[in-house]
Amino acid sequence: DQQVKQNSPSLSVQEGRISILNCDYTNSMFDYFLWYKKYPAEGPTFLISISSIKDKNEDGRFTVFLNKSAKHLSLHIVPSQPGDSAVYFCAASATTSINSGGYQKVTFGTGTKLQVIP
Amino acid sequence: NAGVTQTPKFRILKIGQSMTLQCTQDMNHNYMYWYRQDPGMGLKLIYYSVGAGITDKGEVPNGYNVSRSTTEDFPLRLELAAPSQTSVYFCASSPGLAGEETQYFGPGTRLLVL
Repeated sequence: DQQVKQNSPSLSVQEGRISILNCDYTNSMFDYFLWYKKYPAEGPTFLISISSIKDKNEDGRFTVFLNKSAKHLSLHIVPSQPGDSAVYFCAASATTSINSGGYQKVTFGTGTKLQVIP
Repeated sequence: NAGVTQTPKFRILKIGQSMTLQCTQDMNHNYMYWYRQDPGMGLKLIYYSVGAGITDKGEVPNGYNVSRSTTEDFPLRLELAAPSQTSVYFCASSPGLAGEETQYFGPGTRLLVL
């Protein structure tokens, strides 16, 4: 059961244009959402996040939008740059109870490979 | 501040061999995680730890074991390697505090089981 889905495996965008990466989720208990960026042969790095109590968070060229009723979030990159070419993972977290207390369980999507063409 | 380091970067194993993937973090994070990433797939959680001496299974724990004797180290043990364990393995850590959900990842270990 894929609780976090990124239905577009790849996306190509011209330099300077907007890149929109989409993510859908099914678990209404998710309360925090994150985007990670991954270059080849490197580990994922945190990009931007949003709490479920917000519908938008902006950080420079990156904006994440959350539509809770549709269980959908998107990452906008404006303007896109060739250095943005990477795999982008959407992730969602929910508090899970374990013997030692609460634990933020994070579920990752399968990733979208973005190519920004110069 | 090195962050999360993993060794080795690449390893070839024969079926049935064993090995330990090392992971160390220097950020004094309470939480540590092991993921595997198969081609075209997302990150699957193998094991996690919420502090020294405390570990628990993730989504795909079969064939693996972990230990957490110190805050810094979280080694992953593969016993009796199988071709299905060919993957890229990522270790991560996070503070484990409310509002601090960001995980910091190591560079990964690429494992090939033949």
